[in-house]
Amino acid sequence: AQTVTQSQPEMSVQEAETVTLSCTYDTSENNYYLFWYKQPPSRQMILVIRQEAYKQQNATENRFSVNFQKAAKSFSLKISDSQLGDTAMYFCAFMMPPGNTGKLIFGQGTTLQVKP
Amino acid sequence: EAQVTQNPRYLITVTGKKLTVTCSQNMNHEYMSWYRQDPGLGLRQIYYSMNVEVTDKGDVPEGYKVSRKEKRNFPLILESPSPNQTSLYFCASSPRQGDYTEAFFGQGTRLTVV
Repeated sequence: AQTVTQSQPEMSVQEAETVTLSCTYDTSENNYYLFWYKQPPSRQMILVIRQEAYKQQNATENRFSVNFQKAAKSFSLKISDSQLGDTAMYFCAFMMPPGNTGKLIFGQGTTLQVKP
Repeated sequence: EAQVTQNPRYLITVTGKKLTVTCSQNMNHEYMSWYRQDPGLGLRQIYYSMNVEVTDKGDVPEGYKVSRKEKRNFPLILESPSPNQTSLYFCASSPRQGDYTEAFFGQGTRLTVV
């Protein structure tokens, strides 16, 4: 069974600094998808970034980028130039490709506070 | 506006009193699912549906029921709620099974069972 682990329950960073959130996962599959979701205090689930396992190039979305290490089964999220609006809980998630159940497997979450 | 609408957003109920949390999407998505979010556990899938009249259990289905009689609606039913079902619930939809590039989540329902 696939599992996702986020070992940092809470983190903080100063505004404009860079922070990295860690995520590791366990699977015997070769093809899958990985995601980072943001959950601000409003509780809305917002997709931040997505990575297909067959792509070696790390995904980037503006200030957000990932470090995908397939052999190490690691998928960290780097937030550059942190902003107060980045304060939220962040979830790492894993999904098998189409043809499976479509289930997202989430990590425990990391609460990030950006300090002014 | 494309959206997934859950109701109610907050609910306090008593043990054993049947309740339904509604979920509706306006994007003609085939795939819908329910998750519960608990501290330290992240989100876990309760049930999912790949299309009308096709539903299946997720990882934590005990104590829950669902139905998919129409494509747009996917209600979550708690026949006899218990305190361990106190949680934050999310409905999600995507165009088809396994396609989360366009996944939409509802606003969440905070349920407290006393």
